[in-house]
Parts: sequence; structure tokens; C-alpha cells
Amino acid sequence: DTGVSQNPRHKITKRGQNVTFRCDPISEHNRLYWYRQTLGQGPEFLTYFQNEAQLEKSRLLSDRFSAERPKGSFSTLEIQRTEQGDSAMYLCASSLEGTLGAEAFFGQGTRLTVV
Amino acid sequence: GNSVTQMEGPVTLSEEAFLTINCTYTATGYPSLFWYVQYPGEGLQLLLKATKADDKGSNKGFEATYRKETTSFHLEKGSVQVSDSAVYFCALSDPGGYQKVTFGTGTKLQVIP
Repeated sequence: DTGVSQNPRHKITKRGQNVTFRCDPISEHNRLYWYRQTLGQGPEFLTYFQNEAQLEKSRLLSDRFSAERPKGSFSTLEIQRTEQGDSAMYLCASSLEGTLGAEAFFGQGTRLTVV
Repeated sequence: GNSVTQMEGPVTLSEEAFLTINCTYTATGYPSLFWYVQYPGEGLQLLLKATKADDKGSNKGFEATYRKETTSFHLEKGSVQVSDSAVYFCALSDPGGYQKVTFGTGTKLQVIP
């Protein structure tokens, strides 16, 4: 297993367009998280999946954002009608349920630039 | 809610200098505490962790001790190298539930020869 994989690594889009990012977690990990990181800040939690169920969404996740994890494997994050404020690094992480202090493994992220 | 406060950077040190990056947290219960590192052009990597009070996490010469009485988890290294230049994030995970990770804002470390 090569770790958490995210695609694309970079995305430039025009304001108002829709974009979709994909995350492939470590295969045996049932927990999957999306975070957003802006320049000079730490990652901020967006949403969490346990298997295919989306169990929490941050207030940061406006109605333009939607995430799915069909079949509890890969996940997609879609942003509709992008705005310049959406420009950020979008990080995906996965972990294994049941271990205290379980490490979250992060992908390298998708950098979104809205022009 | 949970929060993490860490010292602002950037921190610039000469090679072989002693490093301390301060981190304090606010949380209910007994969170697990982490230091993540982000090297230039790379993703976040776990550096070390501690899951209960007085535990010491260590890795690659870095250490941090879980201090419940002061709600702190300061990162230390006795002798830094140029290769340690990176951004360091202090973080905690929920003591219960699904262990959502809350991060500090990060501290950029630059080590000069």
C-alpha cells in the first residue's frame, strides 16, 4: 500500500465552475477525513466518514460543498460554483478505528486555485 | 470546543542549536496529542504522539511530554540539523468518538548551517 492518494495534485479553475477531488485512503482504514489548509494556517476539519456514512460536517462546509464515500472505499469532494475564497489545499486523511491515539495518515493534498 | 495554541514562527536556528516549540491545548477529557511535520513540498507526517498524561513521545531526536497539569505538549530537540527545516504542527484528537484531529496553526522552523 502506498498510503493515502489524492487526485489531482493541482487544480486551477475559473470562478463559478464546479470541481471534484478524489481521495483513495489506505485500504484497511475505515475512517476518512477531509481537511482544508490555507496559507499560514493549520488544517481545518471539513468532514468525516466512517465506512460509507458521513457522520460529521463542519460549519466550514457550505451548501456548495458535498462529499461522498460510496462503498466505504474512495471518497470525492465536490465544490459547486467555486469562489476565490475556496482557494486552498484540500487534504484527505484516513485512520483505523479502535486504536487509542490512532495515527491519521495524510495524502499530499489537492491545491485548488480559483481565478 | 477543542483548540491548540502553538508559538508563532518563523523560528530560525543555527545548526546544532536547541529547539523548543511551545504548544498548549484546550480539551475536555484526555485527548491524544501529536506533533505532525510538513517538509517542503511534502504531505503531513506524524512525528510523534502521546496518548496519556506523563507519556513522552519521541522520534528522530525530537521529544514531547504530555503534561496534563499545564495542558502542554512542547516539542524539543537537543541539536537541530538543516534537514529539520519544516513546518511543525501540534495537534490533538478527540478523547472519544472518532478521534477528529484539531491542529494548531503551525510553526515554521528554518535551520541555517
